[in-house]
Amino acid sequence: DAGVTQSPTHLIKTRGQQVTLRCSPKSGHDTVSWYQQALGQGPQFIFQYYEEEERQRGNFPDRFSGHQFPNYSSELNVNALLLGDSALYLCASSLSGAQETQYFGPGTRLLVL
Amino acid sequence: DAKTTQPNSMESNEEEPVHLPCNHSTISGTDYIHWYRQLPSQGPEYVIHGLTSNVNNRMASLAIAEDRKSSTLILHRATLRDAAVYYCILRDVYGQNFVFGPGTRLSVLP
Repeated sequence: DAGVTQSPTHLIKTRGQQVTLRCSPKSGHDTVSWYQQALGQGPQFIFQYYEEEERQRGNFPDRFSGHQFPNYSSELNVNALLLGDSALYLCASSLSGAQETQYFGPGTRLLVL
Repeated sequence: DAKTTQPNSMESNEEEPVHLPCNHSTISGTDYIHWYRQLPSQGPEYVIHGLTSNVNNRMASLAIAEDRKSSTLILHRATLRDAAVYYCILRDVYGQNFVFGPGTRLSVLP
């Protein structure tokens, strides 16, 4: 059983560009959460998707948007990239219930030049 | 979500027990205590979680103080593979996401 997978593994963009990151959840999971992890810091929650809707959102600007597809996979889009968006972007999947364990993917390393 | 405080770093010798402390003095009655760890170049992975009673699983044990204002993650025999950043996180019973702090960087010496 494949765990959470993310693509691409690495990405280089320039300021002002747009980027799309992809996540496939663990088999059987219906909920996907996205986190941003700057170098040397813990992951910061961006948002969570369930039933193709954004269920909860962290303190991130509207430049960060997402989507969940009927097969539960998800995309994270970031518009008008800033240098400060350089980070590891982590996707985590889980079942929808409270206190369900989140399973994290290996992340996408984004570098904005 | 209530805040946790952990030491920035700890060291242990291989095959010895490791006790990783976490303070959470503002914990509420509905907060669960979760531990995740992040190995180098990987995403975080679940270690253990509990509410009031001590918990054991194949990876570790979680000892929760009687007043729940602190907890300790116990690795019974540290291996080199246990070198990672360990995060102690509180999540409300209805919470859907985790608020990570900087965690404790554990080094395991051969």
